[in-house]
Amino acid sequence: AQSVTQLDSHVSVSEGTPVLLRCNYSSSYSPSLFWYVQHPNKGLQLLLKYTSAATLVKGINGFEAEFKKSETSFHLTKPSAHMSDAAEYFCVVNVNTGNQFYFGTGTSLTVIP
Amino acid sequence: DTGVSQDPRHKITKRGQNVTFRCDPISEHNRLYWYRQTLGQGPEFLTYFQNEAQLEKSRLLSDRFSAERPKGSFSTLEIQRTEQGDSAMYLCASSLETSMGETQYFGPGTRLLVL
Repeated sequence: AQSVTQLDSHVSVSEGTPVLLRCNYSSSYSPSLFWYVQHPNKGLQLLLKYTSAATLVKGINGFEAEFKKSETSFHLTKPSAHMSDAAEYFCVVNVNTGNQFYFGTGTSLTVIP
Repeated sequence: DTGVSQDPRHKITKRGQNVTFRCDPISEHNRLYWYRQTLGQGPEFLTYFQNEAQLEKSRLLSDRFSAERPKGSFSTLEIQRTEQGDSAMYLCASSLETSMGETQYFGPGTRLLVL
């Protein structure tokens, strides 16, 4: 079975400080992993994806994520938070042999000025 | 703008009425997905199409829900005899299956409120 766990439902950081949003997954097969961002009243936007190439993935807006198979993790990071980063973030797993995408419950990021 | 559009963006209806939503995917994408998202939750899979064939349906998709994708282009999701519990954001995503896997691109969603 496949599943995704986002360990923090809420994260607050000060503007200019690092961001860490945690995601653990379980999958019987080699997964594809994604991070999406959702701003209020907006659709889901793809930040980055891992599909079995480099384990450190760079995305848009300065975000990165590292795939760690031994820890079954795919944490999202950014060196310096910006006010515009305040949004809901979703970690998603897809098993290449299947067609379902499994979403975590989301992490709400607040950026304090 | 991802290239996936949904119409309408908002719908208010009375309990018992039927509603229909439309999704226009990115034109070369062969897969189309429908999700439902309630407040404070991640999107939940409802159904998906490969071209015009509906290949999988979630148990969340009761008999009151039906989806079509004629000619493998746009898709419609109809809810008959709406209930207050149907109030949610309905999201559509499209993707292109490749040897490297697939990536979903989401539309802006249709927010449904059933009174």
